[in-house]
Amino acid sequence: NAGVTQTPKFQVLKTGQSMTLQCAQDMNHEYMSWYRQDPGMGLRLIHYSVGAGITDQGEVPNGYNVSRSTTEDFPLRLLSAAPSQTSVYFCASSPTQGRGETQYFGPGTRLLVL
Amino acid sequence: AQSVTQPDIHITVSEGASLELRCNYSYGATPYLFWYVQSPGQGLQLLLKYFSGDTLVQGIKGFEAEFKRSQSSFNLRKPSVHWSDAAEYFCAVSSTGRRALTFGSGTRLQVQP
Repeated sequence: NAGVTQTPKFQVLKTGQSMTLQCAQDMNHEYMSWYRQDPGMGLRLIHYSVGAGITDQGEVPNGYNVSRSTTEDFPLRLLSAAPSQTSVYFCASSPTQGRGETQYFGPGTRLLVL
Repeated sequence: AQSVTQPDIHITVSEGASLELRCNYSYGATPYLFWYVQSPGQGLQLLLKYFSGDTLVQGIKGFEAEFKRSQSSFNLRKPSVHWSDAAEYFCAVSSTGRRALTFGSGTRLQVQP
Protein backbone atom coordinates (compact mmCIF):
# COMPACT_ATOMS: atom_id res chain seq x y z
CA ASN A 1 0.00 0.00 0.00
CA ALA A 2 1.17 3.51 -0.81
CA GLY A 3 -0.91 4.90 2.08
CA VAL A 4 -1.87 8.55 1.71
CA THR A 5 -0.29 10.36 -1.22
CA GLN A 6 -0.32 14.07 -1.97
CA THR A 7 0.64 16.02 -5.06
CA PRO A 8 2.33 18.33 -5.70
CA LYS A 9 4.99 18.45 -2.99
CA PHE A 10 5.63 22.13 -3.53
CA GLN A 11 3.79 24.85 -5.42
CA VAL A 12 4.20 28.58 -5.96
CA LEU A 13 1.11 30.58 -6.94
CA LYS A 14 0.40 34.19 -7.65
CA THR A 15 -2.42 35.94 -5.84
CA GLY A 16 -5.71 35.21 -7.56
CA GLN A 17 -4.65 31.99 -9.22
CA SER A 18 -6.53 28.78 -8.64
CA MET A 19 -5.22 25.30 -8.09
CA THR A 20 -6.13 21.88 -6.79
CA LEU A 21 -4.15 19.94 -4.22
CA GLN A 22 -4.53 16.24 -4.79
CA CYS A 23 -4.94 13.61 -2.09
CA ALA A 24 -5.44 9.89 -2.57
CA GLN A 25 -5.48 6.88 -0.28
CA ASP A 26 -5.44 3.21 -1.15
CA MET A 27 -6.56 1.83 2.21
CA ASN A 28 -10.32 2.01 1.53
CA HIS A 29 -10.68 4.50 4.36
CA GLU A 30 -14.06 6.04 4.94
CA TYR A 31 -12.89 9.26 6.57
CA MET A 32 -10.61 11.85 4.95
CA SER A 33 -9.64 15.35 5.98
CA TRP A 34 -7.49 18.35 5.10
CA TYR A 35 -5.41 20.32 7.58
CA ARG A 36 -3.18 23.32 7.22
CA GLN A 37 -0.07 23.77 9.32
CA ASP A 38 1.21 27.22 10.20
CA PRO A 39 4.15 28.05 12.48
CA GLY A 40 3.18 28.14 16.14
CA MET A 41 -0.39 27.08 15.44
CA GLY A 42 -0.26 23.35 15.04
CA LEU A 43 -2.62 21.84 12.47
CA ARG A 44 -6.07 23.25 11.82
CA LEU A 45 -8.90 21.40 10.11
CA ILE A 46 -10.07 22.85 6.79
CA HIS A 47 -12.63 20.32 5.49
CA TYR A 48 -13.44 16.70 6.06
CA SER A 49 -15.45 13.88 4.51
CA VAL A 50 -17.07 10.86 6.16
CA GLY A 51 -17.63 9.06 2.87
CA ALA A 52 -18.06 9.47 -0.86
CA GLY A 53 -20.46 12.30 -1.61
CA ILE A 54 -20.36 13.71 1.94
CA THR A 55 -18.23 16.66 2.97
CA ASP A 56 -18.34 19.24 5.74
CA GLN A 57 -16.47 22.30 6.93
CA GLY A 58 -13.80 22.33 9.56
CA GLU A 59 -12.30 25.13 11.60
CA VAL A 60 -10.86 27.24 8.73
CA PRO A 61 -12.87 26.51 5.55
CA ASN A 62 -12.94 29.96 3.94
CA GLY A 63 -11.25 30.10 0.54
CA TYR A 64 -11.25 26.32 0.07
CA ASN A 65 -13.60 23.87 -1.64
CA VAL A 66 -13.65 20.09 -1.54
CA SER A 67 -15.53 17.23 -3.12
CA ARG A 68 -15.45 13.45 -2.63
CA SER A 69 -16.66 11.61 -5.69
CA THR A 70 -14.77 8.40 -4.85
CA THR A 71 -13.60 6.73 -1.66
CA GLU A 72 -9.98 7.09 -2.73
CA ASP A 73 -9.70 10.77 -3.67
CA PHE A 74 -10.27 13.99 -1.75
CA PRO A 75 -8.98 17.03 -3.66
CA LEU A 76 -8.72 20.48 -2.10
CA ARG A 77 -9.40 23.47 -4.36
CA LEU A 78 -8.19 27.01 -3.87
CA LEU A 79 -10.44 29.17 -6.05
CA SER A 80 -8.51 32.44 -5.77
CA ALA A 81 -5.27 32.10 -3.86
CA ALA A 82 -4.30 34.69 -1.26
CA PRO A 83 -0.99 35.20 0.58
CA SER A 84 -2.77 34.14 3.80
CA GLN A 85 -3.08 30.66 2.28
CA THR A 86 0.68 30.20 2.28
CA SER A 87 1.02 27.12 4.43
CA VAL A 88 1.79 23.42 4.50
CA TYR A 89 -1.25 21.30 3.70
CA PHE A 90 -1.75 17.78 5.01
CA CYS A 91 -4.31 15.26 3.96
CA ALA A 92 -5.25 12.51 6.40
CA SER A 93 -7.46 9.44 6.38
CA SER A 94 -8.79 6.91 8.87
CA PRO A 95 -10.81 3.71 8.52
CA THR A 96 -13.92 5.23 10.05
CA GLN A 97 -14.96 8.46 11.66
CA GLY A 98 -14.63 6.97 15.14
CA ARG A 99 -13.03 9.19 17.76
CA GLY A 100 -10.35 6.69 18.66
CA GLU A 101 -9.24 6.02 15.10
CA THR A 102 -5.65 6.60 14.09
CA GLN A 103 -5.29 9.26 11.42
CA TYR A 104 -2.83 8.45 8.63
CA PHE A 105 -1.18 11.54 7.19
CA GLY A 106 0.26 12.22 3.78
CA PRO A 107 3.69 13.85 3.34
CA GLY A 108 2.24 17.32 2.82
CA THR A 109 2.12 20.00 0.12
CA ARG A 110 4.05 23.20 0.72
CA LEU A 111 2.24 26.16 -0.88
CA LEU A 112 3.63 29.63 -1.34
CA VAL A 113 1.30 32.39 -2.54
CA LEU A 114 3.02 35.54 -3.75
CA ALA B 1 -14.87 23.76 22.78
CA GLN B 2 -11.88 21.52 23.20
CA SER B 3 -8.34 22.85 23.19
CA VAL B 4 -4.81 21.58 23.65
CA THR B 5 -1.87 23.48 25.13
CA GLN B 6 1.75 22.53 24.70
CA PRO B 7 3.59 25.04 26.88
CA ASP B 8 7.08 24.30 25.58
CA ILE B 9 7.75 25.55 22.05
CA HIS B 10 11.30 24.22 21.92
CA ILE B 11 13.21 21.75 24.11
CA THR B 12 16.85 20.69 23.88
CA VAL B 13 18.10 17.54 25.60
CA SER B 14 21.33 15.60 25.48
CA GLU B 15 21.39 12.19 23.86
CA GLY B 16 20.75 9.55 26.50
CA ALA B 17 18.91 11.93 28.81
CA SER B 18 15.28 11.50 29.79
CA LEU B 19 12.53 13.48 28.13
CA GLU B 20 9.14 14.78 29.16
CA LEU B 21 6.94 16.84 26.84
CA ARG B 22 3.97 18.53 28.42
CA CYS B 23 0.41 18.56 27.14
CA ASN B 24 -2.68 20.01 28.80
CA TYR B 25 -6.14 19.67 27.35
CA SER B 26 -9.51 21.24 27.86
CA TYR B 27 -12.45 19.00 27.12
CA GLY B 28 -15.80 18.55 28.81
CA ALA B 29 -16.20 14.80 28.47
CA THR B 30 -13.84 11.83 28.47
CA PRO B 31 -11.01 12.86 26.16
CA TYR B 32 -9.50 10.81 23.38
CA LEU B 33 -5.84 11.87 23.39
CA PHE B 34 -3.05 11.35 20.91
CA TRP B 35 0.62 12.10 20.45
CA TYR B 36 1.97 12.45 16.91
CA VAL B 37 5.53 13.01 15.74
CA GLN B 38 6.60 14.92 12.64
CA SER B 39 10.11 14.40 11.34
CA PRO B 40 11.54 17.18 9.15
CA GLY B 41 9.80 17.32 5.78
CA GLN B 42 7.49 14.44 6.66
CA GLY B 43 3.88 13.91 7.55
CA LEU B 44 2.69 13.05 11.04
CA GLN B 45 3.01 9.61 12.55
CA LEU B 46 1.06 8.32 15.53
CA LEU B 47 3.19 7.58 18.61
CA LEU B 48 0.41 6.53 20.97
CA LYS B 49 -3.17 7.19 21.98
CA TYR B 50 -5.43 6.97 25.02
CA PHE B 51 -9.17 6.80 25.45
CA SER B 52 -9.82 4.37 28.27
CA GLY B 53 -8.25 1.84 30.61
CA ASP B 54 -4.75 2.01 32.02
CA THR B 55 -3.67 5.62 32.34
CA LEU B 56 -0.07 4.79 31.37
CA VAL B 57 0.07 4.16 27.65
CA GLN B 58 2.97 2.61 25.76
CA GLY B 59 3.73 3.67 22.23
CA ILE B 60 6.20 3.11 19.47
CA LYS B 61 9.89 4.03 19.57
CA GLY B 62 10.05 3.61 23.36
CA PHE B 63 7.66 6.47 24.17
CA GLU B 64 5.01 6.40 26.86
CA ALA B 65 2.41 8.88 28.10
CA GLU B 66 0.43 9.20 31.29
CA PHE B 67 -3.13 10.48 31.43
CA LYS B 68 -3.91 12.47 34.58
CA ARG B 69 -7.52 13.55 34.68
CA SER B 70 -7.07 15.65 37.83
CA GLN B 71 -4.40 17.73 36.07
CA SER B 72 -5.96 17.60 32.57
CA SER B 73 -2.59 16.44 31.32
CA PHE B 74 -1.23 13.85 28.94
CA ASN B 75 2.56 14.19 29.12
CA LEU B 76 4.85 12.26 26.82
CA ARG B 77 8.00 10.63 28.23
CA LYS B 78 11.00 8.68 27.10
CA PRO B 79 13.68 7.34 29.47
CA SER B 80 16.63 7.77 27.09
CA VAL B 81 16.54 10.00 24.04
CA HIS B 82 18.25 9.07 20.77
CA TRP B 83 19.49 11.53 18.16
CA SER B 84 16.83 10.20 15.77
CA ASP B 85 14.12 11.47 18.14
CA ALA B 86 14.78 15.05 17.02
CA ALA B 87 11.45 16.13 15.53
CA GLU B 88 8.32 18.09 16.28
CA TYR B 89 5.79 16.52 18.62
CA PHE B 90 2.09 17.27 18.61
CA CYS B 91 -0.50 16.47 21.24
CA ALA B 92 -4.09 16.23 20.01
CA VAL B 93 -7.59 15.60 21.30
CA SER B 94 -10.39 14.06 19.29
CA SER B 95 -13.66 15.97 19.13
CA THR B 96 -17.09 14.41 19.15
CA GLY B 97 -18.71 16.76 16.70
CA ARG B 98 -16.45 16.79 13.68
CA ARG B 99 -14.59 13.54 14.29
CA ALA B 100 -11.38 15.45 13.73
CA LEU B 101 -8.32 16.21 15.77
CA THR B 102 -7.64 19.44 17.63
CA PHE B 103 -3.89 19.89 17.81
CA GLY B 104 -1.60 21.72 20.15
CA SER B 105 0.93 24.11 18.68
CA GLY B 106 3.71 21.55 18.90
CA THR B 107 7.03 21.16 20.71
CA ARG B 108 10.23 21.02 18.69
CA LEU B 109 12.79 18.64 20.19
CA GLN B 110 16.48 19.13 19.56
CA VAL B 111 18.92 16.42 20.65
CA GLN B 112 22.52 17.34 21.46
CA PRO B 113 25.28 14.76 21.01
